[in-house]
Amino acid sequence: GAVVSQHPSWVICKSGTSVKIECRSLDFQATTMFWYRQFPKQSLMLMATSNEGSKATYEQGVEKDKFLINHASLTLSTLTVTSAHPEDSSFYICSLLAGAGTDTQYFGPGTRLTVL
Amino acid sequence: GENVGLHLPTLSVQEGDNSIINCAYSNSASDYFIWYKQESGKGPQFIIDIRSNMDKRQGQRVTVLLNKTVKHLSLQIAATQPGDSAVYFCAERGTTDSWGKLQFGAGTQVVVTP
Repeated sequence: GAVVSQHPSWVICKSGTSVKIECRSLDFQATTMFWYRQFPKQSLMLMATSNEGSKATYEQGVEKDKFLINHASLTLSTLTVTSAHPEDSSFYICSLLAGAGTDTQYFGPGTRLTVL
Repeated sequence: GENVGLHLPTLSVQEGDNSIINCAYSNSASDYFIWYKQESGKGPQFIIDIRSNMDKRQGQRVTVLLNKTVKHLSLQIAATQPGDSAVYFCAERGTTDSWGKLQFGAGTQVVVTP
């Protein structure tokens, strides 16, 4: 399967600060990446679809000004949680499609965010 | 919106036995389904997928069955091993959804006992 990396794997920050999470495709170019959030013991919830060179598409209820997504290249998408609060503490996971015309979606290892 | 749901939140299986994990979906327009395995603290790992024009697909020790009549999806794991202990999610993609957008089910915790 496709290799997807995320950095950092975990981060602890103070309330009110911003945190940037990177998602990288290591072995092919991904025009579309997805960002999910997962709270403990719950399922994955899609936050937004990140498209290279254009604005991200956010799911209903996800604040685009709070969760900034940048997909500046075909191998890198970033999610910035701005002015983080304890309720933003979660497991953030990115995914991408294996290539044009394919359906299989591969996931990164996730980033554990803890906001104090 | 329509959701994909699971019947059993926890499944306890004895090592060596077969596991069956069930998933019900409500979107009759879904055309693609995937099963993922997620170990604690890790991202979901692709297991197997199936398109709506099929009713069965087999992989290594796993089989996915799709019953469109009753909107039911299942994952069968043969000869369950301790390493199979994880949370299993089904996911669906609707034809009306954005390309690649997945809806995940609630998940089933599989616990393999010796």
